[in-house]
Amino acid sequence: EIVLTQSPGTLSLFPGDRATLSCRASQSVSSSYLAWYLQKPGQAPRLLIYGTSTRAIGIPDRFSGGGSGTDFTLTISRLEPEDFAVYYCQQYDSSPPLWTFGQGTKVEIK
Amino acid sequence: EVQLLESGGRLVQPGESLRLSCAASGFTFSNYAMSWVRQAPGKGLEWVSSITGSGTNTHYADSVKGRFTISRDSSQNTLNLQLNSLRGEDTAVYYCARLSRGGAVSFDYWGQGTLVTVSS
Repeated sequence: EIVLTQSPGTLSLFPGDRATLSCRASQSVSSSYLAWYLQKPGQAPRLLIYGTSTRAIGIPDRFSGGGSGTDFTLTISRLEPEDFAVYYCQQYDSSPPLWTFGQGTKVEIK
Repeated sequence: EVQLLESGGRLVQPGESLRLSCAASGFTFSNYAMSWVRQAPGKGLEWVSSITGSGTNTHYADSVKGRFTISRDSSQNTLNLQLNSLRGEDTAVYYCARLSRGGAVSFDYWGQGTLVTVSS
């Protein structure tokens, strides 16, 4: 089973800063199978990025994803107040079908 | 507009059973695989179970295999999760989530969740 490790655990930044979040896999992950989610307190998660770099419907272009193999990143070019939340990466294994999440990175206001 | 509305969560004792439901609307339900994902209080997300659009194939996390059963009723546009032999570690908010088309590799819509508490 592939394990996803996100770093850092917490990122303290100012509005307007650039945020770079890391997601490292214990084995190689197909770039088609890596997604990112945002979760605000008391709310359900929301899909941000799928297929490593494709933004989901309605996601602004300040969010971008990249990476390959075992190392993936989510970048927020300029933090808006509504971006302070917890971010999760997620991967899919096809044999057998299995979906796993990283432990999350909290982006907090400094 | 895609909507997913979970129900059925409540306080139960260890060893008891519970059935969760998710009412889906705003899309052709039978065209999409569906899943349950849970989140223990203050913790991260954990995939629980998935079912194909036809209902033919089901998949489970090892932590719930043999205790939980996922099913769907396309005539009612409803996703279900039967939880048996509940344990304290099953305490969580349970989210219903739609799996994306083209491979069912990510969760593109989520419900607001229903809280299951297992405690004596």
